Amino acid sequence: QKEVEQNSGPLSVPEGAIASLNCTYSDRGSQSFFWYRQYSGKSPELIMSIYSNGDKEDGRFTAQLNKASQYVSLLIRDSQPSDSATYLCAGGLYNQGGKLIFGQGTELSVKP
Amino acid sequence: GAVVSQHPSWVICKSGTSVKIECRSLDFQATTMFWYRQFPKQSLMLMATSNEGSKATYEQGVEKDKFLINHASLTLSTLTVTSAHPEDSSFYICSAETKFPDTDTQYFGPGTRLTVL
Repeated sequence: QKEVEQNSGPLSVPEGAIASLNCTYSDRGSQSFFWYRQYSGKSPELIMSIYSNGDKEDGRFTAQLNKASQYVSLLIRDSQPSDSATYLCAGGLYNQGGKLIFGQGTELSVKP
Repeated sequence: GAVVSQHPSWVICKSGTSVKIECRSLDFQATTMFWYRQFPKQSLMLMATSNEGSKATYEQGVEKDKFLINHASLTLSTLTVTSAHPEDSSFYICSAETKFPDTDTQYFGPGTRLTVL
């Protein structure tokens, strides 16, 4: 069964700390992975994409992919209250027309 | 780049009426668009995959005669909820796929909140 699993949280971190969001997947057919941020009542916004093993950095965000362990993570450095949102991990299924399989999302709360 | 719009952003309708939602890719062409539905406190649920010039592919359990999808051009897909009922009230979100910045990536529209009375 194709699944993407995330800790539902809520995850609470103090302002300025590092927030670590984790995701595991069961389908080895997934080639690309995405982190989306969703504020309450809004649609998802792309934060990062990653498809090679290792780390990918973009500003305060670092995505990590380990295909052998089927594990994806997102680190947010210097967390800000504006980072408080639900973070969705998604795996792309390119043998199924580019469909994304979403995790349930992790709610992050950054306390001032 | 990779901006997707949706219209309307919200709609209230009476039970039994039909509602059309438009999804447009503003600065790129999208061969493939996707339609999702999201209920409160739940994750996104894929309803269907829309390919330009061909019939949409619906997910299991989604009624294709109730949720009509038309992808008439490379920048426009529409979702029509026919004979809407209160249980169809939800947040409908489309996405469009493009190879920006470096791999096939879905960018989401702002969503349409449907309330059926």
